[in-house]
Amino acid sequence: DTGVSQDPRHKITKRGQNVTFRCDPISEHNRLYWYRQTLGQGPEFLTYFQNEAQLEKSRLLSDRFSAERPKGSFSTLEIQRTEQGDSAMYLCASSFSTGGFETQYFGPGTRLLVL
Amino acid sequence: QQPVQSPQAVILREGEDAVINCSSSKALYSVHWYRQKHGEAPVFLMILLKGGEQKGHDKISASFNEKKQQSSLYLTASQLSYSGTYFCGTKPLGGYGGATNKLIFGTGTLLAVQP
Repeated sequence: DTGVSQDPRHKITKRGQNVTFRCDPISEHNRLYWYRQTLGQGPEFLTYFQNEAQLEKSRLLSDRFSAERPKGSFSTLEIQRTEQGDSAMYLCASSFSTGGFETQYFGPGTRLLVL
Repeated sequence: QQPVQSPQAVILREGEDAVINCSSSKALYSVHWYRQKHGEAPVFLMILLKGGEQKGHDKISASFNEKKQQSSLYLTASQLSYSGTYFCGTKPLGGYGGATNKLIFGTGTLLAVQP
């Protein structure tokens, strides 16, 4: 257990529905990352926050995806109008960084299946 | 842009050694190694910064050749617990010579240690 928690751990939804995932980082960590991982692949970067500011978004993150980190603590990732191609493991990671050096610690992930 | 790892898979007997390589086409600030067991989150192993350093703990060590943009992970006297998929995560150099913030993960190496 790294101290990063995610909820729910599993989500099954029908195509077209909206889903929301939550990530609680390690409490003193100022950065929070979202990645997506499909079977047999490494995690792919989606977006990251430094405190409450969203500083970078991947081109993978279509308009149907939105992420927030109010108050710089927990974060939510929402997917609207889900598609079957959204089925994946969604991983959250947190770190403490004052510059380029940081170690990202991953949560257990939320596995999404879109039917 | 995704780092290439080799080999794709390796099967070992307990006590044997293995080397996993990670090669990037981009100049790198740092290389991060993770191990992921099936259905679980990636677990951080170690980080190597530019400067050609080597690191190790217990029987796992790694090197980083920044001129070749390559890193290698060395597992000696392997144990059953070493089984899993190993990913290198790379941070390319930013425009100012520092690090970009997201990790770009490699293609993964599946390691199976048999009794």
